[in-house]
Amino acid sequence: AQSVAQPEDQVNVAEGNPLTVKCTYSVSGNPYLFWYVQYPNRGLQFLLKYITGDNLVKGSYGFEAEFNKSQTSFHLKKPSALVSDSALYFCAVSLDTGGFKTIFGAGTRLFVKA
Amino acid sequence: EAGVAQSPRYKIIEKRQSVAFWCNPISGHATLYWYQQILGQGPKLLIQFQNNGVVDDSQLPKDRFSAERLKGVDSTLKIQPAKLEDSAVYLCASSRRTGGTSGYTFGSGTRLTVV
Repeated sequence: AQSVAQPEDQVNVAEGNPLTVKCTYSVSGNPYLFWYVQYPNRGLQFLLKYITGDNLVKGSYGFEAEFNKSQTSFHLKKPSALVSDSALYFCAVSLDTGGFKTIFGAGTRLFVKA
Repeated sequence: EAGVAQSPRYKIIEKRQSVAFWCNPISGHATLYWYQQILGQGPKLLIQFQNNGVVDDSQLPKDRFSAERLKGVDSTLKIQPAKLEDSAVYLCASSRRTGGTSGYTFGSGTRLTVV
């Protein structure tokens, strides 16, 4: 079955330190991978995507993600965390099922401490 | 460009009552999605429209949920009758194409509480 896993419910990091939010997927075929962020009482916002090409993709707010096909992972990273990065992060995979269908992970709450 | 508009922002109803949510996507976006996000979980696709046609409604509980997108623009999602387990945030999203490569733009959602 197609699935997306975010193994950590919460990630805690000090401001200024690098952060990583993990995502692994299990799909057949070549996936399209996305990261979204959700701030309190707000809808999800698109951060970045991997479609093809360079395994390291850059997105909004200084975030980047690395696609690793052999490990079926798409971890979200940022070199230096900000308190304002504290939010809920969702990994998603889009599948071509005759009309693209996007499956979301359960989410990881990032808490950045000043 | 204006974002995806949803209303109402909040709704509290008693079980067995009916409720409707409205969504107006970004102008020119052909594809519209309704997602259900239960607290502590990721969004789950309920229904996907391409213009005014349904592409995927395999996870829509059709005995109580219905959705339409007349004229291929705005959309309405209805629940009748509501159950306690329908308490969730209902998110509307749109994309210019089918979303496979472009990603979605989400609205702020409607938070439904069924008591």
